[in-house]
Amino acid sequence: QQQVKQSPQSLIVQKGGISIINCAYENTAFDYFPWYQQFPGKGPALLIAIRPDVSEKKEGRFTISFNKSAKQFSLHIMDSQPGDSATYFCAASNTGNQFYFGTGTSLTVIP
Amino acid sequence: KAGVTQTPRYLIKTRGQQVTLSCSPISGHRSVSWYQQTPGQGLQFLFEYFSETQRNKGNFPGRFSGRQFSNSRSEMNVSTLELGDSALYLCASSLDRGLYGYTFGSGTRLTVV
Repeated sequence: QQQVKQSPQSLIVQKGGISIINCAYENTAFDYFPWYQQFPGKGPALLIAIRPDVSEKKEGRFTISFNKSAKQFSLHIMDSQPGDSATYFCAASNTGNQFYFGTGTSLTVIP
Repeated sequence: KAGVTQTPRYLIKTRGQQVTLSCSPISGHRSVSWYQQTPGQGLQFLFEYFSETQRNKGNFPGRFSGRQFSNSRSEMNVSTLELGDSALYLCASSLDRGLYGYTFGSGTRLTVV
């Protein structure tokens, strides 16, 4: 059973547009929610992370929005660039004992 | 600062064989986690080692095992390989449990034929 459900599976966005990827979870014990970015032939790299005591975290063009009551969180990429084309994974963990990853979203940003 | 090094990068094995994958974490990181990545399944947690002790284990059969050495380097072993074991195996290094972020290696691509 997938502990973290991620959508969409793939996303195509025009350069300068906003990319939005959504994740949902069931386990209310999760207390850490990172997003990872993966380029072909590379391992995932930590992009941004949030804990449930805040509803939003922004780092540059990347923002996580967190809705604790709905058990959902999302990644927004503002002013999307072709260099952002990659696969994005959300994840969730309970004090780091085990991380549960979403199935990934393949983002393509068209110039 | 050197990243996480995984060797080998590619492996082709036959069903029934066994395989050992190696991971050297970032210097100073004592936690090493292993993940299996397959298309459509995302990343599945295998196990985590900290100071030579397995702290957590995912839902994989006993054919998957690992160990960690005193220098924090880790190995993962898969015995009696099955076709379904074909995947990218990722090693993740962290200070402690990945709560400050994992640093992943580039992975070992295992193909079982």
